[in-house]
Amino acid sequence: GQNIDQPTEMTATEGAIVQINCTYQTSGFNGLFWYQQHAGEAPTFLSYNVLDGLEEKGRFSSFLSRSKGYSYLLLKELQMKDSASYLCAVRDRASGYSTLTFGKGTMLLVSP
Amino acid sequence: DADVTQTPRNRITKTGKRIMLECSQTKGHDRMYWYRQDPGLGLRLIYYSFDVKDINKGEISDGYSVSRQAQAKFSLSLESAIPNQTALYFCATSVGGLDSEAFFGQGTRLTVV
Repeated sequence: GQNIDQPTEMTATEGAIVQINCTYQTSGFNGLFWYQQHAGEAPTFLSYNVLDGLEEKGRFSSFLSRSKGYSYLLLKELQMKDSASYLCAVRDRASGYSTLTFGKGTMLLVSP
Repeated sequence: DADVTQTPRNRITKTGKRIMLECSQTKGHDRMYWYRQDPGLGLRLIYYSFDVKDINKGEISDGYSVSRQAQAKFSLSLESAIPNQTALYFCATSVGGLDSEAFFGQGTRLTVV
């Protein structure tokens, strides 16, 4: 089965940089996704990694190390609107590569 | 208009009642999913369907059933609602492909009293 771990909560200051980590233990890993979810709203897609390395998309970057079962989401130049929950999800053999399994999410609070 | 629409958005129902949550999409995706979200537990998969004739159980299907009425419609039923089914329910869609992201509806907040 899958085991996906993320910190429950993080706090950061507007304008700063924050790194949200995700570790996973899966069989037949085949992709990791990051989603953003504001309170009471739908999750929205941020990034996808399947190969080792860094994927950059504007203020957000996502990194993957398959050998370590580790990913992080890096948010730069934090804004108040970045206060949200960040969900890590993996696709692997246990689900027949057909569905995503989500971590419990990391609640990020950005303060002025 | 939203590409993935859930109705109702909020519902309060009594223990033992049957309730249906509906999901429709205009994205033309074949794959549809139902998740529930609980504080501290994250998103958990209830059922999923890859086409009209395909229905699969997810991690937590007990107490739930689904119907895929058309490519664009996927409904979730609680045959006899119980209080621990109080949660935020999300419908999602995707295309096939390992890198395909899921697109979520706005959610249905269900309270069973």
